[in-house]
Amino acid sequence: EAGVTQFPSHSVIEKGQTVTLRCDPISGHDNLYWYRRVMGKEIKFLLHFVKESKQDESGMPNNRFLAERTGGTYSTLKVQPAELEDSGVYFCASSQAPGKQYFGPGTRLTVT
Amino acid sequence: TQLLEQSPQFLSIQEGENLTVYCNSSSVFSSLQWYRQEPGEGPVLLVTVVTGGEVKKLKRLTFQFGDARKDSSLHITAAQPGDTGLYLCAGAGYNFNKFYFGSGTKLNVKP
Repeated sequence: EAGVTQFPSHSVIEKGQTVTLRCDPISGHDNLYWYRRVMGKEIKFLLHFVKESKQDESGMPNNRFLAERTGGTYSTLKVQPAELEDSGVYFCASSQAPGKQYFGPGTRLTVT
Repeated sequence: TQLLEQSPQFLSIQEGENLTVYCNSSSVFSSLQWYRQEPGEGPVLLVTVVTGGEVKKLKRLTFQFGDARKDSSLHITAAQPGDTGLYLCAGAGYNFNKFYFGSGTKLNVKP
């Protein structure tokens, strides 16, 4: 069984540009979570999907971040326009049973 | 303000020694999880504890959830180099809609 995959593994963009991160959850997992860790800080929750519906998006930093999960399969997280403080590692996790999360390897985003 | 405080932040020990990592909060959680993360990879779930006072064992690892469901500990017996990694605790809200992570304990076990 394939695990959670994330693309790209690393992205370097300039301030003001747009970046879209993609997460493919484990097949059949209805729950999909986005997290991020900025340098020196703890992993912070961004939002939670159940199928295509946003269950909790209280962790989204501001309206420059947009997450979608059309069709309830893969998800995208778009940052537009990117700022320096958006640099960090963005993790995606999926689960079928509540709480039993499987994490992807993360996307390292560097905004210069 | 960080919801979950982990201690110590760094731990370097010799193979065969025992160690305990702590995860403390002033908030109550419906459950608490422990993860292990290696460089370049995402966290891997080790255990979920749900009941106050619960103790779970996973080979040489013993996990305990505090009676008040605010804190937890991870004890490793006879540590091995393969235990090296970043250990993270995470508290879940009542509906598993979101999780709060501690900043982690970086463990290095020297052979």
